Amino acid sequence: EPEVTQTPSHQVTQMGQEVILRCVPISNHLYFYWYRQILGQKVEFLVSFYNNEISEKSEIFDDQFSVERPDGSNFTLKIRSTKLEDSAMYFCASSAGGSSGNTIYFGEGSWLTVV
Amino acid sequence: AQTVTQSQPEMSVQEAETVTLSCTYDTSESNYYLFWYKQPPSRQMILVIRQEAYKQQNATENRFSVNFQKAAKSFSLKISDSQLGDTAMYFCAFIGGGADGLTFGKGTHLIIQP
Repeated sequence: EPEVTQTPSHQVTQMGQEVILRCVPISNHLYFYWYRQILGQKVEFLVSFYNNEISEKSEIFDDQFSVERPDGSNFTLKIRSTKLEDSAMYFCASSAGGSSGNTIYFGEGSWLTVV
Repeated sequence: AQTVTQSQPEMSVQEAETVTLSCTYDTSESNYYLFWYKQPPSRQMILVIRQEAYKQQNATENRFSVNFQKAAKSFSLKISDSQLGDTAMYFCAFIGGGADGLTFGKGTHLIIQP
């Protein structure tokens, strides 16, 4: 069964450093997403991406964050100048369609620890 | 804005029992979709079941079924013949109104006791 893959599974970074989280969505999917889950809290939507541009973003997704699809398969989340409160599990997801309710499939997550 | 409420932070049942997890939501939209996701200790988010709001028939997937009450804005998950592998966090989620992002509840930690 096709799946969303994410790398790295766990990254530890110094406060103030930049991190890039990588994702390979399901190959025939057109919509890509990043979600965040701070330990012990609910999953929160960050951003959706379609047709090589941001489709929607939440209030969390400020100028510290950016997304990119550098080639035909990867989808990345860049976090600049990381803060302690950026420590969380970051989930990449993809779907065949967008807000029509197509099922969103999640990757296994990248656990980011900022120290 | 849509909200999703899961009022049971934790539940515990014996193996083979049936358990129902509750979820309510608030929206002014008429067309939307509801999901239950399972998050085991590995922390992966796994789709359990999905329901289209325009469908009156409740969705079922093997041992998992939902009770969708649109007027009451309720979307509960029933797990029959529960198994040890069902132990996980269960999140109810909503999408609709042209939004791209899922809105999640805070989750219910389900523990299946042997």
